[in-house]
Amino acid sequence: DAKTTQPPSMDCAEGRAANLPCNHSTISGNEYVYWYRQIHSQGPQYIIHGLKNNETNEMASLIITEDRKSSTLILPHATLRDTAVYYCIAMDSSYKLIFGSGTRLLVRP
Amino acid sequence: DAGVIQSPRHEVTEMGQEVTLRCKPISGHNSLFWYRQTMMRGLELLIYFNNNVPIDDSGMPEDRFSAKMPNASFSTLKIQPSEPRDSAVYFCASSSSGETTDTQYFGPGTRLTVL
Repeated sequence: DAKTTQPPSMDCAEGRAANLPCNHSTISGNEYVYWYRQIHSQGPQYIIHGLKNNETNEMASLIITEDRKSSTLILPHATLRDTAVYYCIAMDSSYKLIFGSGTRLLVRP
Repeated sequence: DAGVIQSPRHEVTEMGQEVTLRCKPISGHNSLFWYRQTMMRGLELLIYFNNNVPIDDSGMPEDRFSAKMPNASFSTLKIQPSEPRDSAVYFCASSSSGETTDTQYFGPGTRLTVL
C-alpha cells in the first residue's frame, strides 16, 4: 500500500469548512483513497473514498488532484462533533487498511 | 442494523489468565477483521477472515493469540496466557467483500487491561 502523509494536527472554527490534506505521491493506479475518522474512544468510522474523480456524500467531499498524488477531505460546515482523528489511507482491491498517525482535528466553538 | 457488536466492552484481568473477546459482524457481511490499537503502535490489523476462513493472520503477534470464526455471525479472539503488554483496545470490523471496494465497519472496541 502507498504511504500517506498527513499533518499531525489542525483546527478550525465551528461552522467553517475544514480542509484536511493528504499526500500520497507513490499511489498506484488501482489504489483508492479512503478516509476514516476516529472520535475519542470509538471505533473508526468510514467517511468517504474515491479513485480519480471527486466524490461527495452526506458527510464530506473528497477532492483528488488530477495526478492523484494528493487529496483533500472537506467537511463543509464543521461542528464540535467533528473533532476527531482523521485517517487518509491508500488501499488497493485487497482488504488491508493500513492506518497511519492521522490528523487530529480540533473544532473550536 | 445494530452494526458490529463487541463484548465485553471492558475487560480487566491478571497476567496469565485467558481472555476471550467476542464479535458479531453486521448481518450479511462475509469478511471480518480484528485490529488492535495502542498508543505506541496505533491501529494494527491482526487477522482477516473471509467466508469464515482465516485468510491472513500475519499480524497476530505470537502463539498466545488465536482467533476463530465458527459461523458467519460470530468470531472470537483469544489470548492465553495474557500479558501486560497485551493491554490495548481491540476492534472488530466487518465488510461485504466482493464489491470493488470493501468499506469496513468497525465495532465499538473492547478495552483490555492486563495487570
